[in-house]
Amino acid sequence: KQEVTQIPAALSVPEGENLVLNCSFTDSAIYNLQWFRQDPGKGLTSLLLIQSSQREQTSGRLNASLDKSSGRSTLYIAASQPGDSATYLCAVRHTNAGKSTFGDGTTLTVKP
Amino acid sequence: EAGVAQSPRYKIIEKRQSVAFWCNPISGHATLYWYQQILGQGPKLLIQFQNNGVVDDSQLPKDRFSAERLKGVDSTLKIQPAKLEDSAVYLCASSAVWRAVSGKDTQYFGPGTRLTVL
Repeated sequence: KQEVTQIPAALSVPEGENLVLNCSFTDSAIYNLQWFRQDPGKGLTSLLLIQSSQREQTSGRLNASLDKSSGRSTLYIAASQPGDSATYLCAVRHTNAGKSTFGDGTTLTVKP
Repeated sequence: EAGVAQSPRYKIIEKRQSVAFWCNPISGHATLYWYQQILGQGPKLLIQFQNNGVVDDSQLPKDRFSAERLKGVDSTLKIQPAKLEDSAVYLCASSAVWRAVSGKDTQYFGPGTRLTVL
């Protein structure tokens, strides 16, 4: 059974810092890994999707990496802003047609 | 493009009562998902539809939960009778396809329905 862990559960940083969020999974036989953002009281918004054959994906100030062999992914946020404050979740898809397993998320607070 | 719509946004009921949630996916999306998200946890898939057929309902507590997707568009999720542990946010999501092809399986989420069972 796939287990997805996100550490830390919460993180508080001052504005302008670069930061890394971690996601680990127990079964390396994955199809893709996706990072989502969730704002309080709202649904999830997809940030980046990495296929199993890829090592990283970038979008603006966000960079996600994937190391299947070690069962790890990281989300790097450059020059953090208060607007980045949210919960970040990673989700691992097992097969082409399978469901995704979500981590419990890291709640990020960026202080002005 | 309109997003995924859900109603109601909030619902408070007493245990043993019944409740229903409604979801309208993005137009043209064939795949619809219902997730349960307990406070402090990630979403857990309850059921996945492809058009109006069920793809995966392995984690749906079928003794009390039911879901349908008539005509392959809107969907309803029902709980009867509700228990205290059903208190959670129920998220609906949709995607263009259900197989992970060229990123077209990206899921778009609605705002969720927050259920409180007293």
